[in-house]
Amino acid sequence: QVQLVESGGGLVKPGGSLRLYCAASGFRFSDYYMSWIRQGPEKGLEWISYISGSGDTIYYADSVKGRFTISRDNANNSLYLQMNSLRGEDTAVYYCARDYGGRDYWGQGTLVTVSS
Amino acid sequence: EIVLTQSPGTLSLSPGERATLSCRASRSVTSNYLAWYQQKPGQAPRLLIYGASSRATGIPDRFSGSGSGTDFTLTISRLEPEDFAVYYCQQYGGSPPETFGQGTKVEIK
Repeated sequence: QVQLVESGGGLVKPGGSLRLYCAASGFRFSDYYMSWIRQGPEKGLEWISYISGSGDTIYYADSVKGRFTISRDNANNSLYLQMNSLRGEDTAVYYCARDYGGRDYWGQGTLVTVSS
Repeated sequence: EIVLTQSPGTLSLSPGERATLSCRASRSVTSNYLAWYQQKPGQAPRLLIYGASSRATGIPDRFSGSGSGTDFTLTISRLEPEDFAVYYCQQYGGSPPETFGQGTKVEIK
């Protein structure tokens, strides 16, 4: 069955960096666009980035453009999010999700807390 | 950027009642690429409806989506106890950024 498992979250100081991972299984990973979506504390959902199956099409939300980098390793069924210059407003649960008619499968999320 | 506005913010209903949730877009949604999600506390969102009216795999037929252009509706025909949750609409598939509505909470009256 389709499974997405995020890791890499934690506590980081403002201005710091963090790399998130999403391990995918149960489907042909390279066939699908993948997204990162976040949810701040007691807030709604915010799409932040997606990447095509081959990795040659990438988009970012303005709120993270220039600071975050999405990438993937199809040989290892892995999705990544490199987060630099982190700010307090980046504090959120970060989800990876598979793109197919909306976002049909989601991971359980990994919490990123940006605080001094 | 397409702004999605959901209404009402909170819907207070009893089990067995019909729920009607609205999602209005600031401009036409490309090819009706509009999805609905259900989220319960501490859980990831679950896809209910995509393409405005297609039910996702395993979603009960009491959930239905309708609408086109800028006005979309999620209807739950008869609320079950497990349906009390927050519901989000999302537009996807067009020019980025993708956007979500702010959510409608369906609570037990």
